Amino acid sequence: GAVVSQHPSWVICKSGTSVKIECRSLDFQATTMFWYRQFPKQSLMLMATSNEGSKATYEQGVEKDKFLINHASLTLSTLTVTSAHPEDSSFYICSARDRVSQPQHFGDGTRLSIL
Amino acid sequence: SQQGEEDPQALSIQEGENATMNCSYKTSINNLQWYRQNSGRGLVHLILIRSNEREKHSGRLRVTLDTSKKSSSLLITASRAADTASYFCATALSNFGNEKLTFGTGTRLTIIP
Repeated sequence: GAVVSQHPSWVICKSGTSVKIECRSLDFQATTMFWYRQFPKQSLMLMATSNEGSKATYEQGVEKDKFLINHASLTLSTLTVTSAHPEDSSFYICSARDRVSQPQHFGDGTRLSIL
Repeated sequence: SQQGEEDPQALSIQEGENATMNCSYKTSINNLQWYRQNSGRGLVHLILIRSNEREKHSGRLRVTLDTSKKSSSLLITASRAADTASYFCATALSNFGNEKLTFGTGTRLTIIP
């Protein structure tokens, strides 16, 4: 149980393109979803927390107009990287949780490469 | 910063040996969690230990928590080649009604067959 599906797993696109990443909880209701960014051989950095039906809460230094997050249902959250540039290239990982103080369940990540 | 520091950064051991990883953090926490990440993949939850617990077991995994020292350890016994991965501790802290995880720097574990 507790499966989180993240799509796409890999995307390459040109600079200036907007890219949407989907995160779905397949067998549980995710009241809260999280979006992380990970650089090679480094730890995960939390970008934002989203609760279903509410606006996302962004971490300090994360541009909310650049990284648009939508959590419209209890099973789906999307991250849109708008007008992506090479410096946005990274590994993006989502996670989902049904209740506070419970483990987060992670997707397999999306490797984004902007040319 | 709340980010945890993990020690060692990298660890290589022979298959069958035990592996111990340590995590230190800076502030009070709700709970501490350990995750495993295989290269290029997402994270897999291993164990959650609450702030009022001192030790927890799950199969070949043993986690300890010392809140007075703000530290935790993860022990993997009888290691296997499949245990090769990066291991992260993550501290859970409430923040304005929400709870978020702050991940440590990670330990890259290599099991030599």
